[in-house]
Amino acid sequence: ELKVEQNPLFLSMQEGKNYTIYCNYSTTSDRLYWYRQDPGKSLESLFVLLSNGAVKQEGRLMASLDTKARLSTLHITAAVHDLSATYFCAPMGGTGNQFYFGTGTSLTVIP
Amino acid sequence: DAGVTQSPTHLIKTRGQQVTLRCSPISGHKSVSWYQQVLGQGPQFIFQYYEKEERGRGNFPDRFSARQFPNYSSELNVNALLLGDSALYLCASSLGAWGAQRAEAFFGQGTRLTVV
Repeated sequence: ELKVEQNPLFLSMQEGKNYTIYCNYSTTSDRLYWYRQDPGKSLESLFVLLSNGAVKQEGRLMASLDTKARLSTLHITAAVHDLSATYFCAPMGGTGNQFYFGTGTSLTVIP
Repeated sequence: DAGVTQSPTHLIKTRGQQVTLRCSPISGHKSVSWYQQVLGQGPQFIFQYYEKEERGRGNFPDRFSARQFPNYSSELNVNALLLGDSALYLCASSLGAWGAQRAEAFFGQGTRLTVV
């Protein structure tokens, strides 16, 4: 079974700072998704990464995928309070092509 | 366009009871998956249906079952509820089969099930 490890699990950062969330996964997967979840809410799709070397950017967030290293990163640039949420990476795999979610990274941006 | 809709939004059940959760995918989407999210954890895969056929099943007991209807809506049934079944149940819909390129999944708002 595909295992997903995110770090850090908890991240508190000041507004304006940069930081990177790391997502390691245990077995081959040809696509990876990043989701955001606000407390008590559902999952909001951020990025779909479909190939090795894929890089996508939206606003202050940039995601990348290295399938050979089984690593994805989510980089936050000049954080703002509105980015406070839990972020999940989810490589896809298995017989049903399901998502395998990590435990998530809880991000708090402090003014 | 309406997104993925789930009902009910909240539910309280007693141990041993049975529950049915419902999901309507985005119009035109043919694939529906169910996930369980226990508080403080990431979602765990339960089932995937595509074109009314089960395409995948996660590591959940037989008390969990699901089906997909001709209009692509889906139901998740859980029998003999346990306290540990308390969780947020999420439904995800996708346009095509999961193996298709650029298959993006959209999640509903979830059903919060509390078992007492």
